[in-house]
Amino acid sequence: DAGVIQSPRHEVTEMGQEVTLRCKPISGHNSLFWYRQTMMRGLELLIYFNNNVPIDDSGMPEDRFSAKMPNASFSTLKIQPSEPRDSAVYFCASSFERQETQYFGPGTRLLVL
Amino acid sequence: QQQVKQSPQSLIVQKGGISIINCAYENTAFDYFPWYQQFPGKGPALLIAIRPDVSEKKEGRFTISFNKSAKQFSLHIMDSQPGDSATYFCAARTAKYIFGTGTRLKVLA
Repeated sequence: DAGVIQSPRHEVTEMGQEVTLRCKPISGHNSLFWYRQTMMRGLELLIYFNNNVPIDDSGMPEDRFSAKMPNASFSTLKIQPSEPRDSAVYFCASSFERQETQYFGPGTRLLVL
Repeated sequence: QQQVKQSPQSLIVQKGGISIINCAYENTAFDYFPWYQQFPGKGPALLIAIRPDVSEKKEGRFTISFNKSAKQFSLHIMDSQPGDSATYFCAARTAKYIFGTGTRLKVLA
């Protein structure tokens, strides 16, 4: 079975540019999570969707970040405009309701110059 | 109160030794405590998990010990192997997961 799919795997962009990260959750999972991982702050939850509806976006750092889930099989995380401090690895994870296991994708490594 | 404090930050163990990673929490509403393993360039993957009504859970060489009164839980890796070298995260769940800051484990051959 395919796991969580993320694209791109690596992204290098210049400050001020728009960045869009994509995620396809595991089929049948109805909860989707976006995380950011840095050495300084560890793994931080940015936003969480349930049945395509954003439930908790309290971790979104600021208005430059936005996330959408137009259907059960696709989500995007957008940063506009990007800044060097946004450089991190962004993970998408999915789960079935409150089932214990969150399955993580391989991550997108973002570098903003 | 939503934090999960993890220690140590890094750990070096000889092959065959026991690796121990500790986590502490404050929020008594947490109802599930998983441990995740992350290899370089990969996403975290569930390793083992425990509920607060159980004091210990063992899966192969991996054991979680849970102390509800002390609000602490730990991961023990018995007979540590070089292939166990990875970053380990504890986590705790209410409506969402709160992750520890991670422990980078290196097992020397």
